[in-house]
Amino acid sequence: KAGVTQTPRYLIKTRGQQVTLSCSPISGHRSVSWYQQTPGQGLQFLFEYFSETQRNKGNFPGRFSGRQFSNSRSEMNVSTLELGDSALYLCASSLRLGVTEAFFGQGTRLTVV
Amino acid sequence: AQTVTQSQPEMSVQEAETVTLSCTYDTSESDYYLFWYKQPPSRQMILVIRQEAYKQQNATENRFSVNFQKAAKSFSLKISDSQLGDAAMYFCAYRVPSGSARQLTFGSGTQLTVLP
Repeated sequence: KAGVTQTPRYLIKTRGQQVTLSCSPISGHRSVSWYQQTPGQGLQFLFEYFSETQRNKGNFPGRFSGRQFSNSRSEMNVSTLELGDSALYLCASSLRLGVTEAFFGQGTRLTVV
Repeated sequence: AQTVTQSQPEMSVQEAETVTLSCTYDTSESDYYLFWYKQPPSRQMILVIRQEAYKQQNATENRFSVNFQKAAKSFSLKISDSQLGDAAMYFCAYRVPSGSARQLTFGSGTQLTVLP
């Protein structure tokens, strides 16, 4: 069974641009969550999707958005990039809401210059 | 708000020896789950072990075991017979199964070095 797949693995963007990251969950998993990992702030929750609906959102500005498709694949978008958005973005999938075990992808390393 | 604290930024252990990583948490919930995740240099977060708060018995997965002290809100990870492949950043994490705070809350991590 394939694991969680995140694309791309690495990304370099210029301040002010926007970026879209993709996450394909484990087959059969319907819940997808996103986390931001930085050396200063550690791992912080961005949002959670289930059945194409955002179910939970962390404390991030509106520049951070996401969506989930009918096949459970998810994308997150960051608009008007700032230097501070440079981070590892991790996606995690779970069977459904309330299932506590989350399985992570390898992440997308975003660098904003 | 729930918080998870890992007070040991770095730990080292000799190969084949035993090491214990500490974690404390703060919550007013009665139903919750605790996890240890491992993040090697490949960056992928790998679930090592999980503990349900309602279970008194400590979880064990091969060489990994936990010491769960619910009253003290303590959740330490013991790695026995340490191997070079155990070298990684270890994160303690907490979540509740339902409600608006269902996301994983992570500690700041402990970098484990295994010495040959």
